[in-house]
Amino acid sequence: DARVTQTPRHKVTEMGQEVTMRCQPILGHNTVFWYRQTMMQGLELLAYFRNRAPLDDSGMPKDRFSAEMPDATLATLKIQPSEPRDSAVYFCASGFRSGSYNSPLHFGNGTRLTVT
Amino acid sequence: KQEVTQIPAALSVPEGENLVLNCSFTDSAIYNLQWFRQDPGKGLTSLLLIQSSQREQTSGRLNASLDKSSGRSTLYIAASQPGDSATYLCAVGPSGFQKLVFGTGTRLLVSP
Repeated sequence: DARVTQTPRHKVTEMGQEVTMRCQPILGHNTVFWYRQTMMQGLELLAYFRNRAPLDDSGMPKDRFSAEMPDATLATLKIQPSEPRDSAVYFCASGFRSGSYNSPLHFGNGTRLTVT
Repeated sequence: KQEVTQIPAALSVPEGENLVLNCSFTDSAIYNLQWFRQDPGKGLTSLLLIQSSQREQTSGRLNASLDKSSGRSTLYIAASQPGDSATYLCAVGPSGFQKLVFGTGTRLLVSP
């Protein structure tokens, strides 16, 4: 059963430290999303890629966040420097889009980030 | 800006009941609508995807309908079971793209 894999599952770090979260999308999917979930804001889109090219990162604080896809099997989300307000669950999701067809999105289990 | 609202925020029912979860959105120019469930500490599991040209989708005991003109979708769960307890989220996809705008969810508890 294909699934989106995220690592680490949990991360506790001190304010000011760099945090890197990784995602392996489902093989064959050409669209990758990063979402952040908090109790207050719900699910917010941070960035997304199609065929490894960034299409929209308007939801991301650009001064500290960066998202990349070094290859088709790996997406990364970095926070540097991290702040306590970044504490949240970060989800990666992948899907396939071709022409007018959009597949359902498949989510990973998330990385729960705590910044102290 | 698209806004997605889900009512009720929480629902508690005894096992066996049929129930309806509601989702409304402000911009009817959507490409698709997707329903997810989220279990505590877990990611989202896709339940049903309705393309904008469709009116409904069914999977087992679940049926989702879409009325684009009124900006509404409903998720119908038949013969609810304790295993259905989870948070249910709807999300709409803007025209032409896959990026989804999520509702705040309905937390469902089904008691044995």
